[in-house]
Order: sequence, then C-alpha cells, then structure tokens
Amino acid sequence: DAGITQSPRHKVTETGTPVTLRCHQTENHRYMYWYRQDPGHGLRLIHYSYGVKDTDKGEVSDGYSVSRSKTEDFLLTLESATSSQTSVYFCATRSSPDNEQFFGPGTRLTVL
Amino acid sequence: QKEVEQNSGPLSVPEGAIASLNCTYSDRGSQSFFWYRQYSGKSPELIMFIYSNGDKEDGRFTAQLNKASQYVSLLIRDSQPSDSATYLCAVNKGGSNYKLTFGKGTLLTVNP
Repeated sequence: DAGITQSPRHKVTETGTPVTLRCHQTENHRYMYWYRQDPGHGLRLIHYSYGVKDTDKGEVSDGYSVSRSKTEDFLLTLESATSSQTSVYFCATRSSPDNEQFFGPGTRLTVL
Repeated sequence: QKEVEQNSGPLSVPEGAIASLNCTYSDRGSQSFFWYRQYSGKSPELIMFIYSNGDKEDGRFTAQLNKASQYVSLLIRDSQPSDSATYLCAVNKGGSNYKLTFGKGTLLTVNP
C-alpha cells in the first residue's frame, strides 16, 4: 500500500453534516488523489494534488473540497453531505507522472 | 465513445486456462497503461504497466499494447481461483500527466 492510511475506515453520517476524510502517506510522494468508486461507474477522480497547496478538480468535484498543507496529508471535505455521496472513497499516491499509482485501503461512507 | 472501455464481464474461465482481458482507449496521445486487480471489498493493486508497443511479461501475466489500434490487453496464464477479481485498466492520457483514467473493470471468475 506504499504506506498509505485512510481515516476513518467506515463512517455513517446524516444528510447536511460536514465530513472530512484523511489520507496520510509516508512515502514522500508528490502526487495525491481522491477517488470515489460506485457500482456501474468504476473509479472516478474527485480531486488531486501535485504538490503542497497545489490542487485541482477531477471529473466529479462538485460538493467536495480538498486541502494539502503538508506532503504527507491530503484531506477531502464534504461540506454538507448528501445521500448521493454515499460511496467508497480511495486515496492514492504517485511519485512521478510516469510511475504507478498506489491506493490506500479505502473509506466506506454512508450518508443517511 | 468512453475514454477507457472494458468488457464488464463476468468472464469465466476454468482453472489452468488462459484468461484474456481487453481494454480500448480513445485518446491517441495516451502514453502509459496500467492493469490493476481489485478483490471484492479491497483496494486496487497494481499488476503491470506498459509503455511501449508489444508484449511485456511478468510471471503468469502478459500485457500487450497496440497503440495503432488503441488497444491494451492482459493475459493470465494458468489461471487460478485466486485470480478471481475485478481487473481495472488505467490510462495516462497525453497532456494530462498527473491523472489516470480508469475503465469500469472486468470481473474475472476462475472456476476450480
């Protein structure tokens, strides 16, 4: 897993509440990513980071924000969770654009 | 046309047979290609990557790339029940070095 941890691993929350997911890596990889995975849709990129304080949107960024204040941590925030954001969220890291991407263990989020 | 397409399966093969997994991509400028395996309830793990036209072998796995046909495949020789998983094809598109685009995956079942 290239030293990637995600917290929490499971979370149940209610519609309208804020939620923050944390990704922590120990590999000093420059690039970090947040994906969501849903049946029938596969892995979809939410946001990514190409350095500290450098982030950009992916294909499904609406309703999500991210922050990266240090190399090892990448936070994903749902400002006001909705039921459509019920999903499995994966963090990934990559050392360079040409190298492989490693995934964390995932967070299962349920929004009631 | 979807950016990365895979047959969703399920693909069912008997133990010991060759499993052939296929992937097509739409961006002719794509530069590198990755195969991930994902067991149910787990995170994706990298099996192989390929950058150049032709074949690349690693143990029982062979990746094949044909850029002219925009086609990449994964062959699994001597398939084992432990190979039963979803296989994800991922493509590094040209001009988008930071991001991988994933197919929806092919479910492989190897029957004892």
